[in-house]
Amino acid sequence: ETGVTQSPTHLIKTRGQQVTLRCSSQSGHNTVSWYQQALGQGPQFIFQYYREEENGRGNFPPRFSGLQFPNYSSELNVNALELDDSALYLCASSLGQGAYGYGYTFGSGTRLTVV
Amino acid sequence: SQQGEEDPQALSIQEGENATMNCSYKTSINNLQWYRQNSGRGLVHLILIRSNEREKHSGRLRVTLDTSKKSSSLLITASRAADTASYFCATAGTTDSWGKLQFGAGTQVVVTP
Repeated sequence: ETGVTQSPTHLIKTRGQQVTLRCSSQSGHNTVSWYQQALGQGPQFIFQYYREEENGRGNFPPRFSGLQFPNYSSELNVNALELDDSALYLCASSLGQGAYGYGYTFGSGTRLTVV
Repeated sequence: SQQGEEDPQALSIQEGENATMNCSYKTSINNLQWYRQNSGRGLVHLILIRSNEREKHSGRLRVTLDTSKKSSSLLITASRAADTASYFCATAGTTDSWGKLQFGAGTQVVVTP
């Protein structure tokens, strides 16, 4: 059984640029959620994808967008990067939108630094 | 905004001691989960307690839930240096928000040998 894999692990981008982060979900999981974690804070929900459709979104602007593919892997895209977008981006997979009460499996995250 | 609030923000104990941290939340929940995070890396799921449960155990972990007070506690017994990490509570809401976890700011636990 494989876990959740995220790439890249670290990334440095310039303000105004665009970035794509990738996530491979755990085998058997059909739901992927993305979280942003600023330094010293708890993760903040960005959005969730279930069966290739967005299924719930947090308080993030439209320049944060995503995709889920037929194999349940996912991408997070952020346009027009701002300095405040610097954070650890976490992907979590689960079986079903509510994880059926078994919790979520998180990846190790992508550390994004915007300069 | 953070749904959960952990208390204390930081905790320093010696190996063998017990560590207790608390979490309070604001709205009705489907379940509450505890996660551990080492050095800003990924979160590891520790335990999930459903809204109709009051207590749950997993190894050295004990979680309680009081829905009338909207609070939960995590107890780690006989702590080890390897338990040094940040611990987060996360709530899963009811109805259409149940797929979204709302995290607190975490409790940073340091266990010294």
